[in-house]
Amino acid sequence: GQQVMQIPQYQHVQEGEDFTTYCNSSTTLSNIQWYKQRPGGHPVFLIQLVKSGEVKKQKRLTFQFGEAKKNSSLHITATQTTDVGTYFCAGYEKLTFGTGTRLTIIP
Amino acid sequence: NAGVTQTPKFQVLKTGQSMTLQCAQDMNHNSMYWYRQDPGMGLRLIYYSASEGTTDKGEVPNGYNVSRLNKREFSLRLESAAPSQTSVYFCASILRTRGLNYGYTFGSGTRLTVV
Repeated sequence: GQQVMQIPQYQHVQEGEDFTTYCNSSTTLSNIQWYKQRPGGHPVFLIQLVKSGEVKKQKRLTFQFGEAKKNSSLHITATQTTDVGTYFCAGYEKLTFGTGTRLTIIP
Repeated sequence: NAGVTQTPKFQVLKTGQSMTLQCAQDMNHNSMYWYRQDPGMGLRLIYYSASEGTTDKGEVPNGYNVSRLNKREFSLRLESAAPSQTSVYFCASILRTRGLNYGYTFGSGTRLTVV
């Protein structure tokens, strides 16, 4: 079955530093979604990528979908305390979630 | 506009007890899902209902049953709770159309402890 791996599992950064999480699938994905879960909260949809090589931006967040549609990344520029949480990628077909990257910010 | 509503928010069960987790959405979504989240394990799909009248097993269905009561409601039942079912349970829904899907909307979760 489809497996989605995400690295790193944890990331601690100083406020203002950049952050990147990577998502790799064992199979080609028709699309990929990204979610953010604040501590104690529920996953909240951020974005969906569909096309090979697609890049989308949301303010300080940049999402990329690989050319082969088997990997994706989320990059946050100049992290802020509001970015704290766990970021999940999810492959289509029953929305298989990656294990997530927990981001903590050191003020 | 409530979105996805889950009840209860917290529950403690004794081993062997049964209970039903309720989920309702008011967004006219056709597909609904139940996930469990354990520390370090991400979200794992238990069951899903692609449309009213259908249900299918996900990655970890053992020990659970579901009912898609109508388009709005999708319940998850634990017939005989076990400590291994201690987890946070999330219900999610989505409007799935041909060739496209949109972001899933999650409920706020049910924190279940089985002792």
